[in-house]
Parts: sequence; C-alpha cells; structure tokens
Amino acid sequence: NFMLTQPHSVSESPGKTVTISCTRSSGSIASNYVQWYQQRPGSAPTTVIYEDNQRPSGVPDRFSGSIDSSSNSASLTISGLKTEDEADYYCQSYDSSNHWVFGGGTKLTVL
Amino acid sequence: EVQLVESGGGLVQPGGSLRLSCAASGFTFSSYEMNWVRQAPGKGLEWVSYISSSGSTIYYADSVKGRFTISRDNAKNSLYLQMNSLRAEDTAVYYCARVEGGTMVLDYWGQGTLVTVSS
Repeated sequence: NFMLTQPHSVSESPGKTVTISCTRSSGSIASNYVQWYQQRPGSAPTTVIYEDNQRPSGVPDRFSGSIDSSSNSASLTISGLKTEDEADYYCQSYDSSNHWVFGGGTKLTVL
Repeated sequence: EVQLVESGGGLVQPGGSLRLSCAASGFTFSSYEMNWVRQAPGKGLEWVSYISSSGSTIYYADSVKGRFTISRDNAKNSLYLQMNSLRAEDTAVYYCARVEGGTMVLDYWGQGTLVTVSS
C-alpha cells in the first residue's frame, strides 16, 4: 500500500495561479489514475479532475491536472484564481489491494 | 438528476452498532459500483468500503474490516453500511458515493450522515 501526501495549506491572491502537489510514497504515480476533488465547507466533495488530467463537464478550464514521474507526484493547477475556488482539495488514487487512497487534503485560501 | 441520500446516523455508545442507509435515485442503481467514504470532524477523507454493482465483490479499509459490513438491495435502490463494535475513532460524517462506470472516479456523493461514538 502507499500514501498520498499533500501540503496542508496553500494561499494565493485572486487572479494568480496556484499548484497543489500530491506525492505518492511508493510505486509509480503513473500506475493508477489520480483524481482531484474539491470540497467547500459544509458540502460533499465534487470532482474537478479525473484520470490525471481530464476535466468533468462544467468544471472551468482554469483547472488542470498533470503527473510527473520524476517526482512521483500529481499536481492540480488552478489559474485565474477566484474567491469561489477557496476550498479543500483532495487527490485520490487506487492501490493493488483494490482500495481507494486519498491524500490528506490541502486547504486553499484565496486572499 | 442523480441523488444519493444517507440516513441512519446518530449518537451511539462505544461498542454499539448502527446501520446506515443510502437511498439512490435518478440513475440505474443496479448498474453502478458504490462506496462509503467517511470524514472525521475537521479531518480529511477516508475510504471505508466498496461494493460491486451486483454485490458479489466487496472490499474494506483495514480500519473497519471485521466490524463493518457493506451491502446493497438493488430492488430498493439502496446501499447499506452495518457498523458494529463502534469506537470513538469511527466518529465521522459518512458519505455514500457512486463510482463512474469503468473508472475509479467517485462522481456523485451524498450529503453525508453524522455518526458520533461517545459515552
């Protein structure tokens, strides 16, 4: 089994770009797709990126995802930050034991 | 419209039991795999359990294996989580979540039901 490690928090100003990382502790990040979920306070999570870099319909193209095998990590990049992007973001993948694995979550503050 | 509505949460003493339900509507429930995911107060998401569309394949997180049982009734469009031997660390909001067909993506989530384990 592996863990997904995210920064506890990040902050950036409106209109800027922020990147949230998600590092896999063992095994290749490319072995299993990575998803990203957004969770606003008091609400259930929603998907913003699936299968490493795909955006569900309705998610603005300001959101993008990527993976980097050299650092064994996935990244969520949000450009043109808006105050409405302020939320917790979780990466998620899947291990060989058929278990879903979540990162610890990153609190994004747009100030 | 896809809807998932959890119920059955509440306050229970350590060692007690609780059964959560998730009522599904707006899609063909019997065609979709389902999961339970929980979130302790102020903490992150933790996957709890998975069940295949037919119910024939089931997986559990190590933290709940042997204590929790996931099941479904496709005729009633319902998902269940029987929780026994509850511990304080099981205190959380429990979400049911649908797996998007052919993927490992949790594409729809309910609003959650709070389980509090305390004496």
